[in-house]
Amino acid sequence: SAVISQKPSRDICQRGTSLTIQCQVDSQVTMMFWYRQQPGQSLTLIATANQGSEATYESGFVIDKFPISRPNLTFSTLTVSNMSPEDSSIYLCSVGHRGYEQYFGPGTRLTVT
Amino acid sequence: ELKVEQNPLFLSMQEGKNYTIYCNYSTTSDRLYWYRQDPGKSLESLFVLLSNGAVKQEGRLMASLDTKARLSTLHITAAVHDLSATYFCAVDMYRETSGSRLTFGEGTQLTVNP
Repeated sequence: SAVISQKPSRDICQRGTSLTIQCQVDSQVTMMFWYRQQPGQSLTLIATANQGSEATYESGFVIDKFPISRPNLTFSTLTVSNMSPEDSSIYLCSVGHRGYEQYFGPGTRLTVT
Repeated sequence: ELKVEQNPLFLSMQEGKNYTIYCNYSTTSDRLYWYRQDPGKSLESLFVLLSNGAVKQEGRLMASLDTKARLSTLHITAAVHDLSATYFCAVDMYRETSGSRLTFGEGTQLTVNP
């Protein structure tokens, strides 16, 4: 399995600000994914990030709001821009492994006041 | 658009009893995952089912996949308190050109009572 770390683990932010979440993997992976889990809800895929190409966003998510970087095969960042209370969620990165497994990071718990 | 439905959404059961969680999905796929999530924690991978008829077992949990019926089940045998958690199924619309894309069910919150 892959070992995934995320920073920060949690944060409380003010409305209108931005937060960048980091995801680090202990091995090189082709595909990294960003999910959002709103309070008491299931997970929703935000975007897929492949190294060397633009991220692919799911319906309802746009690059201006959730810019993603993928500078190398072990690292990615997700920025939540111009935050509102509705952005309060857990943000999780995950990685594909061996073509058919997906492992999740510990998540970043974001509260927007 | 792929829809993934789990039932029940809430399950309260007694220790020692058996029960099954169902996961139905709306579009053909032969990749399905089951995850466990404890409160305040991330997701733990339980099972990866990759073909029709796949059955996997780990301890008191057994998962199966019927791609023709678009149905997966997670069967709990002789439940114990430690199994209390939220269980998610996720269907992967995998394509070689675009890779994986998981769509999650709503989750089943399981409580096992002594």
